[in-house]
Amino acid sequence: KAGVTQTPRYLIKTRGQQVTLSCSPISGHRSVSWYQQTPGQGLQFLFEYFSETQRNKGNFPGRFSGRQFSNSRSEMNVSTLELGDSALYLCASSWGASSISPSYGYTFGSGTRLTVV
Amino acid sequence: EDQVTQSPEALRLQEGESSSLNCSYTVSGLRGLFWYRQDPGKGPEFLFTLYSAGEEKEKERLKATLTKKESFLHITAPKPEDSATYLCAVQRGSGNTGKLIFGQGTTLQVKP
Repeated sequence: KAGVTQTPRYLIKTRGQQVTLSCSPISGHRSVSWYQQTPGQGLQFLFEYFSETQRNKGNFPGRFSGRQFSNSRSEMNVSTLELGDSALYLCASSWGASSISPSYGYTFGSGTRLTVV
Repeated sequence: EDQVTQSPEALRLQEGESSSLNCSYTVSGLRGLFWYRQDPGKGPEFLFTLYSAGEEKEKERLKATLTKKESFLHITAPKPEDSATYLCAVQRGSGNTGKLIFGQGTTLQVKP
């Protein structure tokens, strides 16, 4: 079956601009989580959506936002880009029932590499 | 505060030379501990989930074990294709259950 699809794969933006990244989860998966990966900080949790509702949020400024659509696809938006936002943004999906931990783990996409210049 | 520490940061092995990677964790009520493999330019690939102390899981040359404070990823007779960064992550048992807390990873290089 198809995996988690993230688009675009690469993006170059200028400081001050905004950007929208897209994630299509595995068919049937209802939970989508977003992570930022940088060499210095590693993988850091941004937020999680389940059934179109934000269920969890990490410690990132309000410039980072997201949403989930009825088909479980998710987008994240970063406004007023800063140089420090350059990172690999990863999306992960799971069945995501609120009280069940997936035994198969969260499935990650290949990520969107964002470069802010 | 929830925390995951992996050691060593980097590991170089000769093909066939077995070793172990360590993941020490502090978390409020562990729900699950995850091991992932990440190749350059790709997203993490799921390997194992462990839930309780004493649990072990195996997959090919990899074996993961869990205690109340740490997890080990044992690599037996590694091959060059096992070269990757191995990530450990924990999921807490309450509150932000959808959030995984990752360690910084161990970069493994296996030379032929």
